Amino acid sequence: DGGITQSPKYLFRKEGQNVTLSCEQNLNHDAMYWYRQDPGQGLRLIYYSQIVNDFQKGDIAEGYSVSREKKESFPLTVTSAQKNPTAFYLCASTPQGRRNTEAFFGQGTRLTVV
Amino acid sequence: QKEVEQNSGPLSVPEGAIASLNCTYSDRGSQSFFWYRQYSGKSPELIMFIYSNGDKEDGRFTAQLNKASQYVSLLIRDSQPSDSATYLCAVRALTGGGNKLTFGTGTQLKVEL
Repeated sequence: DGGITQSPKYLFRKEGQNVTLSCEQNLNHDAMYWYRQDPGQGLRLIYYSQIVNDFQKGDIAEGYSVSREKKESFPLTVTSAQKNPTAFYLCASTPQGRRNTEAFFGQGTRLTVV
Repeated sequence: QKEVEQNSGPLSVPEGAIASLNCTYSDRGSQSFFWYRQYSGKSPELIMFIYSNGDKEDGRFTAQLNKASQYVSLLIRDSQPSDSATYLCAVRALTGGGNKLTFGTGTQLKVEL
């Protein structure tokens, strides 16, 4: 079955640590996105990528980094520079070139700083 | 000004009534508009998309788009308790970096028995 897989589902980070959230899709989608969601809030765009080896900053990129070495994979690293990383992180993907195409979401990773 | 704005609610409607959810956007170059429903702790799921001015109906849901006013809405007829969720408006625009999908903060809907 095609879809997007995020792992892990729950992640705990100590102060000052970098952690990497995984996002893999087998939908053959060109575009991938990372969003952050805080309690009671909407989705805020962290980074997005339209093509392999290219990505753009979203609205809240500070303290995060990404890579897009393969079409299927778009990992997000939460660095120690991100001072308040506790949140729900969602990865999404869309095909390119069709304006009416929905975004497909992974099940999310809930990150907690301990 | 936020790119996509929604009233956070909560919006409370009685069972069987019509719920009206509104969204405005700032980028006139926006091409496509989506409504997602999100239950607490879960991923968003698509309800409808619209990209032409006017109304689009799908079952109990109707999306309305007015590009001149930069406004998109979602009507839910015969609201059910299972419709209680947060509704996210999303806007897709073509930017220098390609398609960018931006979400609003969501409107919490409560359907009361």
